Formats: sequence, C-alpha cells, structure tokens
Amino acid sequence: QVHLMQSGAEVKKPGSSVRVSCKASGDTSSDYAISWVRQAPGQGLEWMGGIIPIFGTVNYAQKFQGRLTFTADESTSSVYMELRSLKSEDTAIYYCARIPAHSTSSHLYDFWGHGTLVTVSS
Amino acid sequence: SSELTQDPAVSVALGQTVKITCQGDSLGSYYANWYQQKAGQAPVLVIYGRNIRPSGIPDRFSGSTSGNTASLTITGAQAEDEAEYYCNSRDNSGDHVVFGGGTKLTVL
Repeated sequence: QVHLMQSGAEVKKPGSSVRVSCKASGDTSSDYAISWVRQAPGQGLEWMGGIIPIFGTVNYAQKFQGRLTFTADESTSSVYMELRSLKSEDTAIYYCARIPAHSTSSHLYDFWGHGTLVTVSS
Repeated sequence: SSELTQDPAVSVALGQTVKITCQGDSLGSYYANWYQQKAGQAPVLVIYGRNIRPSGIPDRFSGSTSGNTASLTITGAQAEDEAEYYCNSRDNSGDHVVFGGGTKLTVL
C-alpha cells in the first residue's frame, strides 16, 4: 500500500503564491511519478501536470504554463506544487496522485492524496 | 488537446445494471481509466487498461471500449456505488491528460 500525505489547507490573497506538498510513504520504490489534479468547488477533475521525482522531469498543462512549478525532494519522498499569481478561480482542492511508472503523461493514478483545499480570497 | 464527454447524471435501481459512458477521439488510441469519487473524498481508481480492477474493487465493476466510446458497467448496483464517476485518458498528442466531466450515479 502507498500513502500520500498532503499539507494542510491554505488561504491566500489574489496575486500571491501557494506551495502544496505531497509525501509518499509505504510500499514505494522510485519507479513512480506524481500527477497533480485539482477540483474547483462543485466541479470536475482538472489535470495540472506531472513530475518524475527521481529525474525531476516535469510536464505541465498548457493552461498553467508560466505560473506552475513542480519540484521533488527524493531524500524525503516529497513533491511540491507551487502555483503563482493566484486568482479567485484557483480556489480548489488540489490532489496529488501516484503514477506507477516513469511517465508524466500517464493517466493511470493508483493512489491519491486526501487533497489540499486552497482558498484564494481578498 | 481533446475532450472526453460524459453524461452528467445517470440513475439505476438497486441491484440492476448500469452503464456509464465516456466519448472522445483519443479513446481510439488510448484506454480510458475510471475513477469513483464519493462526496467529500478523494477519487479512487476502479477500472484501468482494457478491463482491470485494482485490488479491493468488487467484480461488479467492469470496463469496455468500442471505437471512441469507453464504458464502465456496474452489474448489480449497490447503494454504496452512489458516487461521481470520472473517466480519463491521454489527449490526442499523447503528452497530456484529460478528464471527462463526470457522471453522477444515483442508486434508487
């Protein structure tokens, strides 16, 4: 079993940045990638991109190019998602999800974090 | 980019069979995976690949594909199956991922 532990809820002002962490534990090797998916209130799932932690390879959805950065710290099995220039429309639950392969474009997510609520409000 | 289209809502009588569909051009090249999301919870993978159930998923869940349409079938729906169901796949380029809009399943 794999467990993905995410950081706690955040409240941010428009124009600021947020950083959400996702720490993997349990039955993990290095043969995985992490994808980030968000869900606005009452809305569906939206793919943001992915990262292969062991290589640092990243892949971002076009919509977020320029204001989204994924990083990884292999020593702690953690990945981080930073979204900048926040707008009210970025209010959402942000999920990390494991891809059981070295692929940032895979759509197979076998384990998910519990989600982190990010609220953007003035 | 490409889109995946799902019916917004479907209902099924308890114990009956229901099919939830997902339509998109990229499904001619890539399998759809299916996720179940209950209210207030994170999504859970229920079907992936040709028709594979992860460990712990009941065998009443099955998947299939015909042309550009993928389907999730629940044979003998239970009350606990009431949830939102999402399909996903790669887009036409194969480099990005797309999700369907979700189908809310009500078990009557």
